Amino acid sequence: QVQLVESGGGLVKPGGSLRLTCAASGFPFSDYYMTWIRQAPGKGLEWVSTISRSGTTIYYADSVKGRFTISRDNAKSSLYLQMNSLGAGDTALYYCARIVVGEESFDIWGQGTTATVSS
Amino acid sequence: SYELTQSPSVSVSPGQTATITCSGDKLGDKYVSWYQRKSGQSPLLLIYQDAKRPSGIPERFSGSNSGYTATLTISGTQAMDEADYYCQAWVNYIVIFGGGTKLTVL
Repeated sequence: QVQLVESGGGLVKPGGSLRLTCAASGFPFSDYYMTWIRQAPGKGLEWVSTISRSGTTIYYADSVKGRFTISRDNAKSSLYLQMNSLGAGDTALYYCARIVVGEESFDIWGQGTTATVSS
Repeated sequence: SYELTQSPSVSVSPGQTATITCSGDKLGDKYVSWYQRKSGQSPLLLIYQDAKRPSGIPERFSGSNSGYTATLTISGTQAMDEADYYCQAWVNYIVIFGGGTKLTVL
């Protein structure tokens, strides 16, 4: 069935790095834009980054620009988020989600992976 | 920067109609989606393109968008509808989420 499974979260010290992975299955991954969305404890949803089908078009939220890098490997049906210079404000549950271009919505979400930034 | 504003909480009795609003500058000119997030679960797409329901979403969920306000309406609210609800729109290739509305079914 259509599925997104995130991994790579964990506990990291301020200034450290993490690389999140989202493994897709059950659909033609290369046909879809993909995105990362996060939710900090007790807060709402916050969009992080979006990548086009081929990876040539990328958008970032101002809060992560210059620190986070989104990428994808269509041969492996995988989406990535490299997170550098992490701070306490990056502590969150990170979701990957599939975008339906034209409908401008996120129709499939993973279960999320938690990144905790703490000394 | 663009913002989407939602009331923090809404309460409704079982069987009644719940109305959750989302406001933003000229929001009616944009497509709005709505998501439901129950405790411990991933968000679920309820409404896209203002008023369309994905397959499997009950008819009691409906949406509208005009002027400065988008509205999610839940008719015949059930206890299982207790959750956080988020509106979302694209603004110049940036995704904006509303702050979320906690729906309590009393």
